[in-house]
Amino acid sequence: QVQLAQSGAEVKKPGASVKVSCKASGFTFTSDDIEWVRQATGQGPEWMGWMNLNSGKTYYVQKFQGRVSMTRDTSTTTAYMELSSLRAEDTAVYYCARYRPEIRNGFDIWGQGTMVTVSS
Amino acid sequence: EIVLTQSPGTLSLSPGERATLSCRASQSVSSNYLAWYQQKPGQAPRLLIYGASSRAADIPDRFSGSGSGTDFTLTISRVETEDFAVYYCHQYGYSRDTFGQGTKLEIK
Repeated sequence: QVQLAQSGAEVKKPGASVKVSCKASGFTFTSDDIEWVRQATGQGPEWMGWMNLNSGKTYYVQKFQGRVSMTRDTSTTTAYMELSSLRAEDTAVYYCARYRPEIRNGFDIWGQGTMVTVSS
Repeated sequence: EIVLTQSPGTLSLSPGERATLSCRASQSVSSNYLAWYQQKPGQAPRLLIYGASSRAADIPDRFSGSGSGTDFTLTISRVETEDFAVYYCHQYGYSRDTFGQGTKLEIK
């Protein structure tokens, strides 16, 4: 079964960092990209960037550059997204999603989401 | 950045009625790389349509997508009770992805 399983909810203080994991199973890990999307309560999704799981190449939305880092561990088929210098407005559900650049069929598989709460 | 504007914000329909959701882009969407997603409370988005008009795997044929350039439409031919949710459009493929703000489909 093709799926992405994310790590559990996090509560962080302003200025801290958070690292969310996304474990892939059921497909060839290095064939695709992993996209990261966040969604604040009651808002539409906000795209943060992507990582190619084969090369490790990344692209970050300018808004997050300098604060976000996307990495992967091919031995455990796990992708990671780390966001630093957290502020209250970073409170959101963070999703990983699969994108297949050879097929270009949108984000076809999503993780279940990780709630990140930033509060003093 | 391409801004996607969805309308209406809320659509109130009865089961069995036809739903028409609109997504307008501020500039032409490259190669019609436009997707639609359904999201229910507490769940991740689910891919319905990609490439403006192709149905994703296991999506019922009452869902259809159309449009090109800057104007796109998601149509649900006969709404069923499980279709009441929020729908988002998304333009992708060239590292400048954006999402619309959503249309809520609610029971009338």
